[in-house]
Amino acid sequence: DQQVKQNSPSLSVQEGRISILNCDYTNSMFDYFLWYKKYPAEGPTFLISISSIKDKNEDGRFTVFLNKSAKHLSLHIVPSQPGDSAVYFCAASARGASNYQLIWGAGTKLIIKP
Amino acid sequence: EAQVTQNPRYLITVTGKKLTVTCSQNMNHEYMSWYRQDPGLGLRQIYYSMNVEVTDKGDVPEGYKVSRKEKRNFPLILESPSPNQTSLYFCASSFIGEETQYFGPGTRLLVL
Repeated sequence: DQQVKQNSPSLSVQEGRISILNCDYTNSMFDYFLWYKKYPAEGPTFLISISSIKDKNEDGRFTVFLNKSAKHLSLHIVPSQPGDSAVYFCAASARGASNYQLIWGAGTKLIIKP
Repeated sequence: EAQVTQNPRYLITVTGKKLTVTCSQNMNHEYMSWYRQDPGLGLRQIYYSMNVEVTDKGDVPEGYKVSRKEKRNFPLILESPSPNQTSLYFCASSFIGEETQYFGPGTRLLVL
């Protein structure tokens, strides 16, 4: 049973428009969430994170929103640029857990069309 | 440059032939971890280590071994590889208590 779900395997967005990537989780113990970006033939790189005490975190063109009651988070990219084409992974952790484990979604492939 | 390195990047082998994938980090991180990435499943943790000589199983440890004799190195060992271990493998590291993990470039393994 996947505890972190990214239900859209792929998403295509026009350059300059907003990209919205979604992530749902089931474990109410999760209290920290991260988004990673992955290019082909490279490892994932950290993009942005949010703690459960917040409902929004912004870093330049990237904003993550957290809705704890719905167990849902989303990543907004505005405006979308060609270099944003990549696979985006959502990950979650329970900070009190002794193993510091991250639980990962399956990823969403974002394609930015020129 | 701060980085996590993995070798080899690509490997084709046959069932039963022991292999080792090396992982090294130069950031003095205590925490190191191995993941496998399979289509539709995201990253699943194989083993992790919180410090030298301290290792523990992740979610999918069967068929794998690890060791942590030095802080910077965390090799992944497949004693008798099988075709279901064909996958993309990532090593990652971080400081204890920090969720942000730094990843190596990945090792693509094909077991025939």
